Amino acid sequence: DTGVSQNPRHKITKRGQNVTFRCDPISEHNRLYWYRQTLGQGPEFLTYFQNEAQLEKSRLLSDRFSAERPKGSFSTLEIQRTEQGDSAMYLCASSLAADTQYFGPGTRLTVL
Amino acid sequence: AQSVTQLDSHVSVSEGTPVLLRCNYSSSYSPSLFWYVQHPNKGLQLLLKYTSAATLVKGINGFEAEFKKSETSFHLTKPSAHMSDAAEYFCVVSPFGYNKLIFGAGTRLAVHP
Repeated sequence: DTGVSQNPRHKITKRGQNVTFRCDPISEHNRLYWYRQTLGQGPEFLTYFQNEAQLEKSRLLSDRFSAERPKGSFSTLEIQRTEQGDSAMYLCASSLAADTQYFGPGTRLTVL
Repeated sequence: AQSVTQLDSHVSVSEGTPVLLRCNYSSSYSPSLFWYVQHPNKGLQLLLKYTSAATLVKGINGFEAEFKKSETSFHLTKPSAHMSDAAEYFCVVSPFGYNKLIFGAGTRLAVHP
C-alpha cells in the first residue's frame, strides 16, 4: 500500500511529557499537511510544508508544537509539555502541488 | 472569511432510501469544494470534488453533489442508501489560492435495515 502512513496509531502519555508523531506521505507528493481533530468536530488545519519548507502555520499551533520535514519526505510533529487539551486525533495529508489531499489514518493522542 | 456549515449533525435513513446531506459554504473567492467520508478507525477518504467545472459532480459509491452558487450550497446525495454508507461525512472548502482545507463539523449518517 503506497498511501499516507502515520506512526504511532495510538499514544497515551502523562501531562507534561513530550510526544513525537511521524508521517510518511505518498512518495511523489511534495506537499504535506497536519490537521487536528477533536471529538465530534471536523479536522482543523495546523500547518503545511512544500518540500522541506514550512509555509503556513495556524494560530492553533502554539509554541509547544513544532513540525519538521527535514528532507522533504517524512515529517514529524512534536508536542512539548503536553496538556490534557492536546488530546485529539492528529491527521497527516499529502498532495501533489495544490491537488487533492490524501489523508493518513491518524495518530490518536490521549493525555492523562 | 471562509467557512462551512453542515446543517444536520445526524441523519438516519433506511436501507434503499435516498440520502441527502446538506452543506452551505461561505467563501470570498471561487472555492474548491469537497466531500470526505470517515469510517470508524479509518482515514478520511475523498468522495468527490468540485473545482469550477460541471456543477453536478459524481463521486465514488454512487454519491453525487450539486454546486449551487446562488444558494452557496453543495449538498451530497445518493439515490439508494447501503448499510456500508454508515459513516461520518465532512463537507470541505478550499478557497482559491489557499492550501488548507476548511472542514465542516460533520454529519453522522446512520443506515437502518
